[in-house]
Amino acid sequence: GEDVEQSLFLSVREGDSSVINCTYTDSSSTYLYWYKQEPGAGLQLLTYIFSNMDMKQDQRLTVLLNKKDKHLSLRIADTQTGDSAIYFCADGSSNTGKLIFGQGTTLQVKP
Amino acid sequence: DAGVTQSPTHLIKTRGQHVTLRCSPISGHKSVSWYQQVLGQGPQFIFQYYEKEERGRGNFPDRFSARQFPNYSSELNVNALLLGDSALYLCASSLGNNQPQHFGDGTRLSIL
Repeated sequence: GEDVEQSLFLSVREGDSSVINCTYTDSSSTYLYWYKQEPGAGLQLLTYIFSNMDMKQDQRLTVLLNKKDKHLSLRIADTQTGDSAIYFCADGSSNTGKLIFGQGTTLQVKP
Repeated sequence: DAGVTQSPTHLIKTRGQHVTLRCSPISGHKSVSWYQQVLGQGPQFIFQYYEKEERGRGNFPDRFSARQFPNYSSELNVNALLLGDSALYLCASSLGNNQPQHFGDGTRLSIL
């Protein structure tokens, strides 16, 4: 069935780069997404990549997609304490439009 | 511009009651989706509506139902509430089917 897997926790120092990884199983994905969730809040769309692209850069964010291995990563350059949050990878199925989410990666940024 | 708005923000119910959650999409968005997020997990897809028709349904019991109105706002109804229905209910809107989805802040439902 459709599944998305993420590591649960990542800790970095302020100013370092963070890399959050995700694997997915659905072959019919159209878009792949990264969302950010702060405590008590909804999900903020950070960035997304079309499934026929390899890379997308948006200011401090870089998304890499390896479609052959079904691996997606999010790199945050110059990580700040305000980046501390839970990051969700989501797979957008081309058939139904629903999003399949991973369990989320908690990013802890130490000063 | 207003984002996705959901009401109420918090709700407390008891087992067996029913609840109605409301969502207003971003202006111009015609698709609304509903997700359930249990504490510590990723959101799970419940329904998608596009142009007032149901376009997708997740693995939830018939106690869950939804509808979309002519102005593209939406309601999620849950009957015969169970303790396990306690969760954050998230609404997302998009321009169309399979377009990037933008989420509201959710309704936190607690069942006693």
